[in-house]
Amino acid sequence: NAGVTQTPKFRILKIGQSMTLQCAQDMNHNYMYWYRQDPGMGLKLIYYSVGAGITDKGEVPNGYNVSRSTTEYFPLRLELAAPSQTSVYFCASKLDRANNSPLHFGNGTRLTVT
Amino acid sequence: DAKTTQPNSMESNEEEPVHLPCNHSTISGTDYIHWYRQLPSQGPEYVIHGLTSNVNNRMASLAIAEDRKSSTLILHRATLRDAAVYYCILRAGNQAGTALIFGKGTTLSVSS
Repeated sequence: NAGVTQTPKFRILKIGQSMTLQCAQDMNHNYMYWYRQDPGMGLKLIYYSVGAGITDKGEVPNGYNVSRSTTEYFPLRLELAAPSQTSVYFCASKLDRANNSPLHFGNGTRLTVT
Repeated sequence: DAKTTQPNSMESNEEEPVHLPCNHSTISGTDYIHWYRQLPSQGPEYVIHGLTSNVNNRMASLAIAEDRKSSTLILHRATLRDAAVYYCILRAGNQAGTALIFGKGTTLSVSS
């Protein structure tokens, strides 16, 4: 099992450019999440999904979009990159709703918008 | 989710036990206590969780106060690899669809 795989690891964008952060998991997990982490801060939830075809907003969804067409993939789209979106982005997955089902995280994508 | 309070930082020496405290005075009866840690330049990783009873696993032990208003993560013998940010999080048992909310956590430094 590769677990949760995020690509790319690093990216520099110019203001106004768009990109898609990729997230894939091979554990057949139903629940998937996108977080962002600013320097010295905790993680903030952007979007999450409880299954294919179902997505919902987290704390900080503005400026982002997601889709979940399959169980395995949960891409995060930035349409018009802004400096405020400079952050480290983490994707996570969870098997099911049970509380003894832990979150599995990828190693993150470090994004800089200049 | 109810709020947790953790010290910003703690220090330990290698091979000594470490007790990481967490206060959660507004915890409700259905809230589980979760601990995650984040090593430098990595995503968070699950450590342990519990509801009422103390819990042990290969990574750590979780001691939960009888009134559940506080808990302590115990690393029995700290190693340099345990230097990380440790997050204490509450999650309601009926909030299955929502995600864990991570605060700033406790930064643990381990010296050799």
